[in-house]
Amino acid sequence: SQQGEEDPQALSIQEGENATMNCSYKTSINNLQWYRQNSGRGLVHLILIRSNEREKHSGRLRVTLDTSKKSSSLLITASRAADTASYFCATARTGGFKTIFGAGTRLFVKA
Amino acid sequence: EADIYQTPRYLVIGTGKKITLECSQTMGHDKMYWYQQDPGMELHLIHYSYGVNSTEKGDLSSESTVSRIRTEHFPLTLESARPSHTSQYLCASSEVLAGVSTGELFFGEGSRLTVL
Repeated sequence: SQQGEEDPQALSIQEGENATMNCSYKTSINNLQWYRQNSGRGLVHLILIRSNEREKHSGRLRVTLDTSKKSSSLLITASRAADTASYFCATARTGGFKTIFGAGTRLFVKA
Repeated sequence: EADIYQTPRYLVIGTGKKITLECSQTMGHDKMYWYQQDPGMELHLIHYSYGVNSTEKGDLSSESTVSRIRTEHFPLTLESARPSHTSQYLCASSEVLAGVSTGELFFGEGSRLTVL
């Protein structure tokens, strides 16, 4: 089974609101990454957080990691219509060389 | 922008045909991957490679095969395509972080395959 699971599966918000997506995983990890995918395109890397980090920021993105709960969250502040996409978390296991993706959260930002 | 390229972007073929999906990267990455993704669904790892002459099967069983003769090139081949192979195939590459895990993956734009 896949390592990561995102919650919610889909999220619809108004422009300007914040969007929060959650990810849970099962095994110990070296790092956790978040990706974005526009419809019919490849994935684009957003941010990587290492297992010894608890929070990381990049522009309007804020990622948290709780290794004790095996969970992460991605917060997009002041969302824009252009943020409409699918967002995936992915985990890289310690000592492993495979990156495993979750099922993704589909975000719809209404103008 | 990632320097990883996939061709073709779209392919419609008949059952029984042999097809090869091309993937090339110019970043010198040792690790390369093929993921399969149905529309709106999760990504499934079907093949990966640690480097030249190294290939491994991923978590999802696939009838496709791969080869890694050159660092920059990681083609995927289906000897006899079937309608069940209809999907999007995404190629990616990455560096290794301090020799213990993968870092950021760089993805191509994908190859959308339709088998009639």
